Amino acid sequence: AQSVAQPEDQVNVAEGNPLTVKCTYSVSGNPYLFWYVQYPNRGLQFLLKYITGDNLVKGSYGFEAEFNKSQTSFHLKKPSALVSDSALYFCAVRDGSQGNLIFGKGTKLSVKP
Amino acid sequence: DAGVIQSPRHEVTEMGQEVTLRCKPISGHNSLFWYRQTMMRGLELLIYFNNNVPIDDSGMPEDRFSAKMPNASFSTLKIQPSEPRDSAVYFCASSRVDGELFFGEGSRLTVL
Repeated sequence: AQSVAQPEDQVNVAEGNPLTVKCTYSVSGNPYLFWYVQYPNRGLQFLLKYITGDNLVKGSYGFEAEFNKSQTSFHLKKPSALVSDSALYFCAVRDGSQGNLIFGKGTKLSVKP
Repeated sequence: DAGVIQSPRHEVTEMGQEVTLRCKPISGHNSLFWYRQTMMRGLELLIYFNNNVPIDDSGMPEDRFSAKMPNASFSTLKIQPSEPRDSAVYFCASSRVDGELFFGEGSRLTVL
């Protein structure tokens, strides 16, 4: 069975500092990995995905994520955080090209000025 | 593109009433998903369709919940009778076969 773990409920970062939001996954086949962001009272917005190829994936709003097969991780990163990045971030995995996405429980990112 | 459209955005009802949530997926997408989000349980898949056919409904809580997709451009999630524990935000999402999901803005349901 596939699963996703986001070990941190909350991440606090100062504006301008780099940020990392952690995610580990478990699938039996080839992982399709995704990051989404959710602002208050809004739906989830797609940030980036990894299917195959380069382990470093670049996405929207300056975010990137690094796929690490040996550690089964897909951490979200940004070199310089903005206050407007404060939101709830979800990692998701799908086993193969089709089917449901399994979401982590989410990590609240708080960026302070 | 208009994105995934959900209605109503907010619904307040009394226990025992029927609730119908509606979703219009993005044109050309052939997979549709219904999720429920609560503080306690996070984001849970209720059911998903491929080409209008239900593929996995194992997340539907009980017989009070039902979902239909009569055509490629419309889906409903019905709760009958509703209970206070059904209070949550219900999201509809759509995707192409191997693509990322695009979410609607959600329907916030409060059952008194």
